Amino acid sequence: DAGVIQSPRHEVTEMGQEVTLRCKPISGHDYLFWYRQTMMRGLELLIYFNNNVPIDDSGMPEDRFSAKMPNASFSTLKIQPSEPRDSAVYFCASSLRRQPQHFGDGTRLSIL
Amino acid sequence: DAKTTQPPSMDCAEGRAANLPCNHSTISGNEYVYWYRQIHSQGPQYIIHGLKNNETNEMASLIITEDRKSSTLILPHATLRDTAVYYCIVRVEQTASKLTFGTGTRLQVTL
Repeated sequence: DAGVIQSPRHEVTEMGQEVTLRCKPISGHDYLFWYRQTMMRGLELLIYFNNNVPIDDSGMPEDRFSAKMPNASFSTLKIQPSEPRDSAVYFCASSLRRQPQHFGDGTRLSIL
Repeated sequence: DAKTTQPPSMDCAEGRAANLPCNHSTISGNEYVYWYRQIHSQGPQYIIHGLKNNETNEMASLIITEDRKSSTLILPHATLRDTAVYYCIVRVEQTASKLTFGTGTRLQVTL
């Protein structure tokens, strides 16, 4: 079975550019989560969706970050404009309501 | 969600059992204990979870004390591929909300 698929795996871009991270959840899962991992803060939740609707975005650091889920099989996390402090590994995870979350292999983002 | 405490690092010889402890003294009655691991450069991987009974699956066993204030994850025959950071997380299963990751235990399996 295909797991959570994230793209790109690596992204290097210059400060001020727009960055779009993509996620395809496991088919049939109704929850989707975006996490960020840094050395300083560890793994932290940014936002999660249920049935394509954002439920909790309290972890989104600021207005430069936005996330959408236009359908059950696709989600994006956008940063505009990007800053060096946004450099991190971004993970997407999906789950059925009471089941464990399954994570993708992440996007390693470097903002120069 | 209750806070967990884990040792920062542990070593284990290949082929031996790895026993990873976790303290969760403030756990509530409806909170489950979850274990995830993160192998270098990969996303966290679910291992096992339980409420109060011991659990076993193809990856590991989970032993929860009777008072539920601590638990132990057991990898019965550790291999080099089990080298990873192991996270113990406590949460209410019925709520599909965030996982709160602590700093975990870095397990190093050696020859």
